[in-house]
Amino acid sequence: KQEVTQIPAALSVPEGENLVLNCSFTDSAIYNLQWFRQDPGKGLTSLLLIQSSQREQTSGRLNASLDKSSGRSTLYIAASQPGDSATYLCAAKGGYQKVTFGTGTKLQVIP
Amino acid sequence: EAGVAQSPRYKIIEKRQSVAFWCNPISGHATLYWYQQILGQGPKLLIQFQNNGVVDDSQLPKDRFSAERLKGVDSTLKIQPAKLEDSAVYLCASSRGAVEAFFGQGTRLTVV
Repeated sequence: KQEVTQIPAALSVPEGENLVLNCSFTDSAIYNLQWFRQDPGKGLTSLLLIQSSQREQTSGRLNASLDKSSGRSTLYIAASQPGDSATYLCAAKGGYQKVTFGTGTKLQVIP
Repeated sequence: EAGVAQSPRYKIIEKRQSVAFWCNPISGHATLYWYQQILGQGPKLLIQFQNNGVVDDSQLPKDRFSAERLKGVDSTLKIQPAKLEDSAVYLCASSRGAVEAFFGQGTRLTVV
């Protein structure tokens, strides 16, 4: 059974800092790993998708990496802004197309 | 392409009442998921369909929750009777093959 863990559970940083969010998964046999953003009371916004054959994906100030062998993915946010404040979730898609979510990291960027 | 549609967006019911949620996935997506997200937690898979067959419903409380996907397209999730602890956001998602999953906006359920 796939288990996905995100560390830290919460993070508070001053505006302008670069930061890294971590995602670990127990079963490395995944098709892809997806990072989402969730604002309070809102649905999920897909940020980045990394296929199992890829090592990283970039979108603007966001960069996500994937190391299947170690069961890890990281989301790097450059030059953080108050608008980046949200909960970030990772989700691993594995056998039978099952999508398993992590517990989330709640990010607060302080102006 | 149109996204995953869910309705209603919000629902408030009293405990012991019943409620139903509806999901219309992206056209052509064979896989459909229902997730429950309790405040402060990550989404938990309730049930996964492949066309109109169930792939995984191991975490669905079958004594009160039921779901169906008629003709392998739309899906409904029902709770009967509802409990206070069912208050959560219910997310529907669809996917095709090994590509990314697309999520609807969710239905926020409050049980009072």
